[in-house]
Amino acid sequence: DAGVIQSPRHEVTEMGQEVTLRCKPISGHNSLFWYRQTMMRGLELLIYFNNNVPIDDSGMPEDRFSAKMPNASFSTLKIQPSEPRDSAVYFCASSLVGQGLGEQYFGPGTRLTVT
Amino acid sequence: DAKTTQPPSMDCAEGRAANLPCNHSTISGNEYVYWYRQIHSQGPQYIIHGLKNNETNEMASLIITEDRKSSTLILPHATLRDTAVYYCIVSSGGSNYKLTFGKGTLLTVNP
Repeated sequence: DAGVIQSPRHEVTEMGQEVTLRCKPISGHNSLFWYRQTMMRGLELLIYFNNNVPIDDSGMPEDRFSAKMPNASFSTLKIQPSEPRDSAVYFCASSLVGQGLGEQYFGPGTRLTVT
Repeated sequence: DAKTTQPPSMDCAEGRAANLPCNHSTISGNEYVYWYRQIHSQGPQYIIHGLKNNETNEMASLIITEDRKSSTLILPHATLRDTAVYYCIVSSGGSNYKLTFGKGTLLTVNP
């Protein structure tokens, strides 16, 4: 299995631009998670989906952030408009809920820099 | 989710056992203890989890005290590649579970 795939691996954009991060979970997994990691705040859960349905988006910072999961094999996290404080590493993770409980498999992350 | 307390950093000699402690005094009866680690610039990696019995897999052993208020992750023969931040997390699992990562313990394995 290829594991969780994220793209792009690095993104540099200017303040005010739209940014779209992409994630392909492990085939057969039914839960998907988006995290953000910064030095100041550590690793934070933004949103998670179960069977393509958003279950908890309480970690989404504000309305500039949105996430979708149109099917079981693809999810996007969009920031519009982006701000310098959004600079962070964004991780996507997937899991098979019901087996192994909290075994989440993380992707390599997308390093976002907003100038 | 219950909170956990871990030392910010630990050192270990290569080839020796690394014992990483975690306190979770407010853990509920249905909450599991999970351990993940994050090697620099990589995504976190699952290590092991348990409810109340001790657990062992190819990576590590997990020792949970009888009152479940603390646990220890044991890496039996630490290598340089085990240098990472180790996170202890408690979560109830189920269809609505989520993991809350704290600051973790930075384990440095020295040659």
